[in-house]
Amino acid sequence: AQSVTQLGSHVSVSEGALVLLRCNYSSSVPPYLFWYVQYPNQGLQLLLKYTTGATLVKGINGFEAEFKKSETSFHLTKPSAHMSDAAEYFCAVSLNACNNRKLIWGLGTSLAVNP
Amino acid sequence: NAGVTQTPKFQVLKTGQSMTLQCAQDMNHNSMYWYRQDPGMGLRLIYYSASEGTTDKGEVPNGYNVSRLNKREFSLRLESAAPSQTSVYFCASVPRLNNEQFFGPGTRLTVL
Repeated sequence: AQSVTQLGSHVSVSEGALVLLRCNYSSSVPPYLFWYVQYPNQGLQLLLKYTTGATLVKGINGFEAEFKKSETSFHLTKPSAHMSDAAEYFCAVSLNACNNRKLIWGLGTSLAVNP
Repeated sequence: NAGVTQTPKFQVLKTGQSMTLQCAQDMNHNSMYWYRQDPGMGLRLIYYSASEGTTDKGEVPNGYNVSRLNKREFSLRLESAAPSQTSVYFCASVPRLNNEQFFGPGTRLTVL
C-alpha cells in the first residue's frame, strides 16, 4: 500500500536558520508530490508540487523541495526561517493523475520558529 | 472568485442531533472532497465526488452521508452525531487536469 511518512511531528528552528522538513513515500509508480501549509485556524494551501520535469521545485514564501526518486524522498527546505513560517506542513502523494485525484497524506509536521 | 466556501464555521451539537455541513466552489472544478482533521491523525478522507452525480467512500465514511447537489456544491450530513465526530472538517475541490486540491477554511464541530 502506498504511504507517506513525515519524519518528526514537531520541528523547532531559530529565526534565520535552515528549515528542513522530511517526507518519504512508498509508491510503485511515479508519483505526483505536494507540500501544503496550514496556518493556525485556517485551511490548507499549496506550497509547491512536483509533477514531471525538473526535480527541484520552487514554491511560495522561499520554500523549495527536491524529488529524489532513488531515495523516495521529497524533503522541504528553506534557507532562512522567518517567524511567519510557523505552521503545520503536510506532504502528500497522488498516484494517478487522470482518473483518481485522491491524495495520500502524511501526518504533518508542526514547525515552530524561535526568535 | 470566493474559491471554496464552507458553512458554518463553528457548530456545537448534542449527541444524536443531525446537521449538514455545506461546501461550495466557484472555480468550475469537477472533483470535491470531504476530510476530517484530528490532532496527530492528519487528514482523513470521508467521502469524495469525482464528478457531478457521483460519490464514493473514503477511509472513514461511517456515520456520514454526502450529496453532490450540482457541480458547485457538495454537502456532508451527520444523521446522528456522536462525540467521536468532534473534529475540524475541510472541503476541497480539484480541477479536471490538475491534482492540486483547493481547500475551504474548515468547520469546527463539537459534539457533546
